[in-house]
Amino acid sequence: EAQVTQNPRYLITVTGKKLTVTCSQNMNHEYMSWYRQDPGLGLRQIYYSMNVEVTDKGDVPEGYKVSRKEKRNFPLILESPSPNQTSLYFCASSLWAGELFFGEGSRLTVL
Amino acid sequence: AQSVTQLDSQVPVFEEAPVELRCNYSSSVSVYLFWYVQYPNQGLQLLLKYLSGSTLVKGINGFEAEFNKSQTSFHLRKPSVHISDTAEYFCAVSDQEGAGNMLTFGGGTRLMVKP
Repeated sequence: EAQVTQNPRYLITVTGKKLTVTCSQNMNHEYMSWYRQDPGLGLRQIYYSMNVEVTDKGDVPEGYKVSRKEKRNFPLILESPSPNQTSLYFCASSLWAGELFFGEGSRLTVL
Repeated sequence: AQSVTQLDSQVPVFEEAPVELRCNYSSSVSVYLFWYVQYPNQGLQLLLKYLSGSTLVKGINGFEAEFNKSQTSFHLRKPSVHISDTAEYFCAVSDQEGAGNMLTFGGGTRLMVKP
């Protein structure tokens, strides 16, 4: 089954404790992206990757890092999480940027 | 850069009534347009898309949207809604010239279908 898998789905952490949200896709897509969803703001792009070892900033990259060492994986790293990063995060992949396949989301709470 | 405005944050409607969810965009270049749907506790899934050609686009679950270039709009419609259509709907735009690297989303419209 074609899918985008994110882990963890739910996480509560404390300020400053590094965490990684993993994302994996099995569709051989070149394009992958991370979004955060906040009430009233829709989805805002954090980072995207056009291919292995090619990443670029989206609208709201501050406080986040990504890497793309393999085509299927695109982890999101929060080196020092802060409460304003409490949000619902989505990973997505695509053959091109418009028609995205989304994961089920990761709800992160930073205390 | 482009932007998307969804004019209604919530739309309550009775079952079997028609509905229109409004979306306006701004862009200095030609765009591709999309509607995504998010059911409770799920990720987003593509409802329909406009890439080129006919301005009336049909999607899944009986939804359709019409691209109006002069009004920079891409409103979503359904002639008769069901309870199962209760969800959040997102309009999105990507820049054709930029190869669609940046998909910009509107703030979302919560459709609430009442029995």
